[in-house]
Amino acid sequence: NAGVMQNPRHLVRRRGQEARLRCSPMKGHSHVYWYRQLPEEGLKFMVYLQKENIIDESGMPKERFSAEFPKEGPSILRIQQVVRGDSAAYFCASSPKMTSGSADTQYFGPGTRLTVL
Amino acid sequence: KQEVTQIPAALSVPEGENLVLNCSFTDSAIYNLQWFRQDPGKGLTSLLLIQSSQREQTSGRLNASLDKSSGRSTLYIAASQPGDSATYLCAVHGSSNTGKLIFGQGTTLQVKP
Repeated sequence: NAGVMQNPRHLVRRRGQEARLRCSPMKGHSHVYWYRQLPEEGLKFMVYLQKENIIDESGMPKERFSAEFPKEGPSILRIQQVVRGDSAAYFCASSPKMTSGSADTQYFGPGTRLTVL
Repeated sequence: KQEVTQIPAALSVPEGENLVLNCSFTDSAIYNLQWFRQDPGKGLTSLLLIQSSQREQTSGRLNASLDKSSGRSTLYIAASQPGDSATYLCAVHGSSNTGKLIFGQGTTLQVKP
């Protein structure tokens, strides 16, 4: 059973370009989470998605950032008009279906390291 | 608002020593707590998950405890090895149960041969 896959592993963009980060959850997992790790900072939650639904986007910046998890294919984190402050490691995690009153282990991908020049 | 704190921020020990990493959280209404390991430039590896109804979990040389009422968890590493050198992260599932993990800043451990 392959783990969570993210691509690309490294992405370089110039200011003003768009960045698209992809995440394929573990087989059988229907929940996807995106986190950002800024240099010298801890991981911060961005968004939680299920298939075709955004459940919690409380950690997403209000502008330029969007996420989707379509019925078919990987989850996409899209950053429009990137700025230098977007340079960070972006991690995706997945988990199986949550049961009431508990939450399952989240399994993390290797991350995408975005560098904005 | 849930906040997670890890102490110490960095720790250096000789090989073979037993050690304890500390994690505290401000809101005791959590669903579970998870300990991760992160190697430099790498992703996160889940080590242990403790459900809110549990007091501890063990895996090999690792033992994690949870005291919800006091808002604390510890990760105990027995007989440390150089391969244990990494950053250890504590994360809680917050009270809203959206699945969101709230992370501490981590403890960077160096085990010297």
